[in-house]
Amino acid sequence: DAGVIQSPRHEVTEMGQEVTLRCKPISGHNSLFWYRQTMMRGLELLIYFNNNVPIDDSGMPEDRFSAKMPNASFSTLKIQPSEPRDSAVYFCASKEYLSYEQYFGPGTRLTVT
Amino acid sequence: QKEVEQNSGPLSVPEGAIASLNCTYSDRGSQSFFWYRQYSGKSPELIMFIYSNGDKEDGRFTAQLNKASQYVSLLIRDSQPSDSATYLCALRGNSGGYQKVTFGIGTKLQVIP
Repeated sequence: DAGVIQSPRHEVTEMGQEVTLRCKPISGHNSLFWYRQTMMRGLELLIYFNNNVPIDDSGMPEDRFSAKMPNASFSTLKIQPSEPRDSAVYFCASKEYLSYEQYFGPGTRLTVT
Repeated sequence: QKEVEQNSGPLSVPEGAIASLNCTYSDRGSQSFFWYRQYSGKSPELIMFIYSNGDKEDGRFTAQLNKASQYVSLLIRDSQPSDSATYLCALRGNSGGYQKVTFGIGTKLQVIP
C-alpha cells in the first residue's frame, strides 16, 4: 500500500499568491483530515470529510482557506491569498470510518515569504 | 484552558531508564485517548490507544488512563536512543463529531546513550 500521498512536499511562495496542497488518501479509507502543525500551536485540525462530504470545518482559520474533496481519492486545500503566518507543515490523514487509527501523509512544508 | 495539556519538554532520560510522559485534558466527556510518536521531520504515527480506565501494555509501552483525574500517561520501559522523538497526546471528545481528534502540543523525549 502506498500510504497517504501529499504533494508538493515543499512549497515556497510569496505573500498574496495562491497555494494549493493536494492529498490522495489510502484506498478504501472514507474519512480524510487536514491538519496544520506549527511550533507554537502544535497539530491543529482544519477540516475533515466523511465520504467526500465536509463534516467539520470549524478549524479553518479564515475565509482565505478552502478545502474540497471531489472524489474518494483526491482532496485539495487552497489558501488564497497566502500570508507569512500561514507558514507551517500541512498534513493530510485518512482512515476507515469506524477505525480509530488515522494514517498521516508525509506533509507539505509551506513557507510564505 | 487548552483541551489537551502537555509539557513540551525536552524530557531527558538515560538509556535503559523508564520515560514517563503525562497529559491532562479538560473535557470530561472525552471518549478515547491516543499517543502518537513523531520523529523530527516526519509525520505522526499511532503507538497506543486506550479508552478504559487503567493500564494498557504493548511491549515496552504502557498507557495509563484516569478519567476521574482527567489524565493520561505513557510509560516507556528500557528507553532506547531510537525512542527519541516528540510524543503527542490526543483525544476524541464529544465536540466536532465522532471523528474529531484533538492533539496536545507534544513532549519532546531525548534518550541519552
